Amino acid sequence: AQSVTQLGSHVSVSEGALVLLRCNYSSSVPPYLFWYVQYPNQGLQLLLKYTTGATLVKGINGFEAEFKKSETSFHLTKPSAHMSDAAEYFCAVGGFQKLVFGTGTRLLVSP
Amino acid sequence: GAGVSQSPSNKVTEKGKDVELRCDPISGHTALYWYRQSLGQGLEFLIYFQGNSAPDKSGLPSDRFSAERTGGSVSTLTIQRTQQEDSAVYLCASSLSRVNTEAFFGQGTRLTVV
Repeated sequence: AQSVTQLGSHVSVSEGALVLLRCNYSSSVPPYLFWYVQYPNQGLQLLLKYTTGATLVKGINGFEAEFKKSETSFHLTKPSAHMSDAAEYFCAVGGFQKLVFGTGTRLLVSP
Repeated sequence: GAGVSQSPSNKVTEKGKDVELRCDPISGHTALYWYRQSLGQGLEFLIYFQGNSAPDKSGLPSDRFSAERTGGSVSTLTIQRTQQEDSAVYLCASSLSRVNTEAFFGQGTRLTVV
């Protein structure tokens, strides 16, 4: 069975600071990994995904994530936070099994 | 359609009533998911349909919850004898194939049980 752990239900950063949202997964088969973002009162949209190939993947709005098999991690980063990045972020693992989501991390950005 | 469509967008019901929530996935998508998102909580998996396979119902919280998918397309989530704790946003998502490379989400149905 697959599972996802997101460390930190809330992360607070200042505008312009580095954003780091942590995600660790467990999977018995090669995983496909995803980050989704949910802005207030909106549905979920895909930020980026890893399926095969390059382990550093770039997504929308300047976000990127690196798949590290040895650490079973897929942490999300952005060099400089913007106020508009304030949202809920969900990590998910999928592939040949159903998509399983983490519990989410709310990113708060202060001026 | 262009995206995953859910209806109604909002539903207020009295405790004890039955409700039906509808999901129209993207045309041609074989996989369909239902999730529940309670206030301030993460995504709780409910049920997963994949093609003609038997659905994965392992996330349904009680026998008051059921779902069906007719003709491999439209899905209906039914909640019988609603309770206040059923109040949440119910999200539907669909994916193109058995290999879940990406799931597309609808805007959700906000259910309020009073």
